[in-house]
Amino acid sequence: DAKTTQPPSMDCAEGRAANLPCNHSTISGNEYVYWYRQIHSQGPQYIIHGLKNNETNEMASLIITEDRKSSTLILPHATLRDTAVYYCIVRVATSGTYKYIFGTGTRLKVLA
Amino acid sequence: ETGVTQSPTHLIKTRGQQVTLRCSSQSGHNTVSWYQQALGQGPQFIFQYYREEENGRGNFPPRFSGLQFPNYSSELNVNALELDDSALYLCASSRGWGGNEQFFGPGTRLTVL
Repeated sequence: DAKTTQPPSMDCAEGRAANLPCNHSTISGNEYVYWYRQIHSQGPQYIIHGLKNNETNEMASLIITEDRKSSTLILPHATLRDTAVYYCIVRVATSGTYKYIFGTGTRLKVLA
Repeated sequence: ETGVTQSPTHLIKTRGQQVTLRCSSQSGHNTVSWYQQALGQGPQFIFQYYREEENGRGNFPPRFSGLQFPNYSSELNVNALELDDSALYLCASSRGWGGNEQFFGPGTRLTVL
């Protein structure tokens, strides 16, 4: 069922951009890519999502390759509060609804 | 605007028992999804409820069941608990029938001894 592959961990210096990669080579044409983060076993928090085009909001930017087989989440100026597990998710259609397929996530540590 | 709430926060049960977990959806949301998150893993989709009916199910056995009430709150019931059911159970609510952004609650930590 796994649709996404992410590196297990990454470090980033405070104030620098954090670039988190995700591979979703088996994604179908109508399946969206979502990013959530989870801080210390709290509920996951929505960051951003996209289908084909690059997206930007107040939290992050999402860059999706033209073939849609991979994407990168960019946190432009990482802070210590951005330390969390980041999940790249593919939203798939299933028996009348949609479900999120979570990967195992990337544990991002922002260093002072 | 009240966010998604779950109760209880923590729960300890023994193998073979039954458990009920509760979730109150965010105001204005009529869809609730339930996820199981084992330690060190990403959440796994259990099922979704929309307007009081089950509207999609993941790879979980029938002893995992649920309900959604007219106020869109929801329950997750697990019968005949097994040790592997120990996990964080997350509830997420959304507006509409599942295609929109999901807002997660803080979860219920279930330990089965």
